[in-house]
Amino acid sequence: AQSVTQLDSQVPVFEEAPVELRCNYSSSVSVYLFWYVQYPNQGLQLLLKYLSGSTLVKGINGFEAEFNKSQTSFHLRKPSVHISDTAEYFCAVSEGSSNTGKLIFGQGTTLQVKP
Amino acid sequence: KAGVTQTPRYLIKTRGQQVTLSCSPISGHRSVSWYQQTPGQGLQFLFEYFSETQRNKGNFPGRFSGRQFSNSRSEMNVSTLELGDSALYLCASSRDISNEKLFFGSGTQLSVL
Repeated sequence: AQSVTQLDSQVPVFEEAPVELRCNYSSSVSVYLFWYVQYPNQGLQLLLKYLSGSTLVKGINGFEAEFNKSQTSFHLRKPSVHISDTAEYFCAVSEGSSNTGKLIFGQGTTLQVKP
Repeated sequence: KAGVTQTPRYLIKTRGQQVTLSCSPISGHRSVSWYQQTPGQGLQFLFEYFSETQRNKGNFPGRFSGRQFSNSRSEMNVSTLELGDSALYLCASSRDISNEKLFFGSGTQLSVL
């Protein structure tokens, strides 16, 4: 069975500082990996995805993530955060190309950007 | 292009009642998935529909059911509501089953009293 672990429930950081949100997954088959962001009272928005190919994936709003197969990790990074990045971030996996509607999510990480 | 539309936005029910939630996907999208979000359990997959057929189902009791219509709109139903069913119910759509980008609606916030 697949599972996703987000290692930090809350990450406080000052504006313009770098940030890393950590995600580890467990699966016995090939997976697709995703990061979604949820702003208050809204649905989820896709930040980036890893399907295959280059292990460094760039997404929207200056975020990037690196897939590490040996460590089964997919950490999200941003070199300089803004107040507007304050939100909840979810790491997710899906099993293969025909199951991308069925996502297994981590518990989420709340990013709190302080002025 | 309109996004994923979920109605109603908020709903209050009492234990034992049943509820129906509606989701209209983005025009041209044929796959619809449903998720339950709670503070304790996080985001959990409920079911996925494509071309009016349920493709995948999560680990929820039979009180949770859904369907998809020929115009791709979807409904989910919860019968005999329990307090623990209080949650944000999110609907997501994609063009087809192998399209890896899901577009989420803003959700229906269900409170069971």
